[in-house]
Amino acid sequence: QVQLQQSGPGLVKPSQTLSLTCAISGDSVSSNSVVWNWIRQSPSRGLEWLGRTYYRSKWYNEYAVSAKSRITVNPDTSKNQFSLQLNSVTPEDTAVYYCARSDGNYSFDYWGQGTLVTVSS
Amino acid sequence: EIVLTQSPATLSLSPGERATLSCRASQSVSSYLAWYQQKPGQAPRLLIYNASSRATGIPARFSGSGSGTDFTLTISSLEPEDFAVYYCQQRSNWPVSITFGQGTRLEIK
Repeated sequence: QVQLQQSGPGLVKPSQTLSLTCAISGDSVSSNSVVWNWIRQSPSRGLEWLGRTYYRSKWYNEYAVSAKSRITVNPDTSKNQFSLQLNSVTPEDTAVYYCARSDGNYSFDYWGQGTLVTVSS
Repeated sequence: EIVLTQSPATLSLSPGERATLSCRASQSVSSYLAWYQQKPGQAPRLLIYNASSRATGIPARFSGSGSGTDFTLTISSLEPEDFAVYYCQQRSNWPVSITFGQGTRLEIK
């Protein structure tokens, strides 16, 4: 059974960097058949896919156009986890952030528990 | 970016009734359409992928149909635990884009 456990701070100051980690059990971040994603949800923007990382003989990272200039998603093979960094945050980045796995069908079959991140001074 | 429009925004029905939820895409997504159920305080749960394939463990009362731009999620006979918010989701490859609809709230009448 795949489980995703998120960790990271719930409060970030404006202009700083939001950092979250998603620890994987029951699968491997280096699997060549799945993709590891970050998604967020807020009342104003709904569900919004942010970016993903995956391994297909080499590592690939892909990002939503809306976040591309500020986001980094990285795998950590030594800890079997992946991370999200979002730079220069503003109050509009306040949301519940989820990590999620997608298989070759692109749909998200396993999700983390969600982390409410508030951007406020 | 492909926009998904769900209707209705809210659907009020009673247990045992049939629910029909709609998702329309601004351009063709072929069959790359998924449906999710979300309850308060929980992450979304995958119900349907590839427009009509049920995910593992999803009851047979949930079914999906459609292709191209028009899709439907049908719940044949509502159970009390089905009252929740439902989202559709698509993906396109070039450039990579994954978007969700704004959701349909299914509430008890």
